[in-house]
Amino acid sequence: ETGVTQTPRHLVMGMTNKKSLKCEQHLGHNAMYWYKQSAKKPLELMFVYNFKEQTENNSVPSRFSPECPNSSHLFLHLHTLQPEDSALYLCASSQDRRQGREQYFGPGTRLTVT
Amino acid sequence: QQQVKQSPQSLIVQKGGISIINCAYENTAFDYFPWYQQFPGKGPALLIAIRPDVSEKKEGRFTISFNKSAKQFSLHIMDSQPGDSATYFCAASSGPGSARQLTFGSGTQLTVLP
Repeated sequence: ETGVTQTPRHLVMGMTNKKSLKCEQHLGHNAMYWYKQSAKKPLELMFVYNFKEQTENNSVPSRFSPECPNSSHLFLHLHTLQPEDSALYLCASSQDRRQGREQYFGPGTRLTVT
Repeated sequence: QQQVKQSPQSLIVQKGGISIINCAYENTAFDYFPWYQQFPGKGPALLIAIRPDVSEKKEGRFTISFNKSAKQFSLHIMDSQPGDSATYFCAASSGPGSARQLTFGSGTQLTVLP
């Protein structure tokens, strides 16, 4: 595996379910990001981790909970989501936060909340 | 202002033609301007980037033109090919080293007709 991988690629969940999205980067980077991509809207930065420490939380509702156990793995835990949370969730990494200009994205998880 | 405004929302070009996508920004603290290309089912991929001390950067058929005084930058795709059909996002980066982040435009869906 190379680059940034994300699993699952597609996820359908009910509003009362609990699920997790996984991201793994094989680039030796130290910063990882979660973005939300909705149709015809700019990518929305959700969370940033730099050297496993969360450095940014862009006013994301608490029903989204990130976890970064090491510099290569990033999770997004989901619970009691709303239909408006349906979107493509993208993970990205960069060498470190100082080099955050060049971010490498995974293919995303297409989330549908029913 | 952190917003980056991108136009047009969609663009249809004949094969061999020139595709032009425009972006404008307000925040003069932005100091790095990348363009990302996204194919269906894939995450965005860095295509080309420019710094504000340069007015133009060319890589193959892709050229960024940058107008610092007007706070505008654009992507030109010369000799457009059907394989260029994708969604293109402009972005701008700012912030001190530990807080650097990307602000994205809303995207342009490019279709190149054969």
